[in-house]
Amino acid sequence: EVQLEESGGGLVQPGGSLKLSCTASGFTFSDYPMHWVRQAPGEGLVWVSRISHDAIYTNYAGSVKGRFTVSRDNAKNTLYLQLNSLRAEDTAVYFCVKDSAHFGVDYWGQGTLVTVSS
Amino acid sequence: QSALTQPRSVSGSPGQSVTISCTGTSSDVGGYNYVSWFQQHPGKAPRLMIYDVVQRPSGVPDRFSGSKSGNTASLTISGLQSEDEADYYCCSYAGSHTTFVFGTGTKVTVL
Repeated sequence: EVQLEESGGGLVQPGGSLKLSCTASGFTFSDYPMHWVRQAPGEGLVWVSRISHDAIYTNYAGSVKGRFTVSRDNAKNTLYLQLNSLRAEDTAVYFCVKDSAHFGVDYWGQGTLVTVSS
Repeated sequence: QSALTQPRSVSGSPGQSVTISCTGTSSDVGGYNYVSWFQQHPGKAPRLMIYDVVQRPSGVPDRFSGSKSGNTASLTISGLQSEDEADYYCCSYAGSHTTFVFGTGTKVTVL
């Protein structure tokens, strides 16, 4: 059974930083690209970032490019998202999402809430 | 990349059918047969219901079906049941740089 568990969310002041983690199990983590998707309170889903299975390639949504950094440790089956220069509009639940390896995504974690407020 | 356009809400009585539209552009929905649909109950993680426009993952009831015409994809729920009340999001592949774009979301209400 595929399981994804995010952690690291919390309350941070504007301009601050946070690092999210996602521990994966139930599949061969190193074989799959992974994504982060966020959802602001009461709003829809927004794709944030993607990292290739071997961490060579990364992609970012325009709204976070230059501020967020995605990485992974395949030996630890863990995905990361470093959030810097945080803004109020970054407040959201951040989901770790597995790529289906066929131009889609399939499994989602339960999410971790990031709140940016003074 | 702009979000795909979905109706804000649709509703139907138990047993009826509802259809949710998802309109994009030739750069996403119209350019690829890689549209997915996700169901999200309040406070829960999204669940994959349809992929590759028409394919159903194992475990998804056959009441759920997908289709596409031009830049618009659709999800139809036939024989609506109370547990189908949830938010639904479409998602399309949008190329190697943008990767994915989601729809604005549709709330399905079972009357």
